[in-house]
Formats: sequence, C-alpha cells, structure tokens
Amino acid sequence: IAGITQAPTSQILAAGRRMTLRCTQDMRHNAMYWYRQDLGLGLRLIHYSNTAGTTGKGEVPDGYSVSRANTDDFPLTLASAVPSQTSVYFCASSERGGQDEQFFGPGTRLTVL
Amino acid sequence: GQNIDQPTEMTATEGAIVQINCTYQTSGFNGLFWYQQHAGEAPTFLSYNVLDGLEEKGRFSSFLSRSKGYSYLLLKELQMKDSASYLCAVLDSNYQLIWGAGTKLIIKP
Repeated sequence: IAGITQAPTSQILAAGRRMTLRCTQDMRHNAMYWYRQDLGLGLRLIHYSNTAGTTGKGEVPDGYSVSRANTDDFPLTLASAVPSQTSVYFCASSERGGQDEQFFGPGTRLTVL
Repeated sequence: GQNIDQPTEMTATEGAIVQINCTYQTSGFNGLFWYQQHAGEAPTFLSYNVLDGLEEKGRFSSFLSRSKGYSYLLLKELQMKDSASYLCAVLDSNYQLIWGAGTKLIIKP
C-alpha cells in the first residue's frame, strides 16, 4: 500500500441497504476525514478523526457513522442508504490535522437507487 | 453563514497566464488552501497561505489578503495538463476546511 486507498472504487446500492466504504492509509497520519463531492458543490465534510480512538461530526453527518479503531483505518458506514447519498466519497488524511495538507484517496463513486 | 466564492469556469490559452480568484466569508480564519483536481481524480495540494502576500512555487503562485477576504491562484506558462478544477478552501475557527465549489479551467491550444 502506498498512500491512501479506498474500496470499493464504485458501487450501485439499493435504497435501504447498509454499506461500508473502506479507507486505509499507510503514512501513519493522525488525522483522517470523509468528504462527499456533488456536482456544483464544494467538498463537504461528513466525519473526521483527529487521532485513533476519537471521531467528530462534520458539516453533513446525518445518515453516516465512522469508527477509528486504529491509526490506519477509517471506515464510513451508511446504515440505511437513501438516493440523496448518491455521490463521490473521498477519504483523506493529514499528519496532524489543522494546517497540514490533506492527502486524498482515489474516491468511491456510490449510486443509491 | 460560511461562504467561499470562485468562478465556475474559465478558459485560457496554452502558454498564457491565468488568475483564479477566491473570496471568502468564514467563521474565523486559520489559513487558505488551493488544491488541483483533474476530472475523475482526487484533489492534490497546491499551496497554503496564512499570512498576507504572495507565495511563489514554480509556475504557480498564490496570493492572500486577509483584510479583504480574498485570494488568487496565478498559473503561468499554461500547459494542456493544467486543464483541471482548482479548489479554494479555508481553514475555519474549528480547524475544519470549508471548500469552494471549484473553478474548472479549460486550456485551449
């Protein structure tokens, strides 16, 4: 693994199903983030984690949950998917958070029907 | 509310210079970032400004005026590979990034 990876690359999901998007980084970064990117809108922060064992809510957390059991992994779960969650999801990490640059994964394109 | 404004789209000619503006109104300010995002790819870091003035990095420069809530990204000697979206983001008082919608830059030969 080099950098930050996400899985799956893309997914089509029926409404009401549960889905976990995976994110793994090998840079030993403390801070990790989940964003969604929709056409015509800026990236919007869903959840973040400043260090392993802690998480926080971003701008649009409803319908999503995260966990940070260790430094490397930061999965995002949609408990019961809805069509408005159709989006491109990016995971990112930074060394300490705050003013450090963020490194982004390749993204997951999710379609909820 | 918090707001970041950038032009939606700009067109420029290969070899020329282009300036992409960003204005912001946020709750607090702890710096401004510029990222580049090619179509279908992830954003990548270009620059970070926290003090007023111009920061130059090769063909790219970024300027900040905190009193005016204004920044610009200057791209010189444009190349076809510079065709991408350019995202402006402000680090607010909670140290969270607030992102603009991005400026799609189209380079013509």
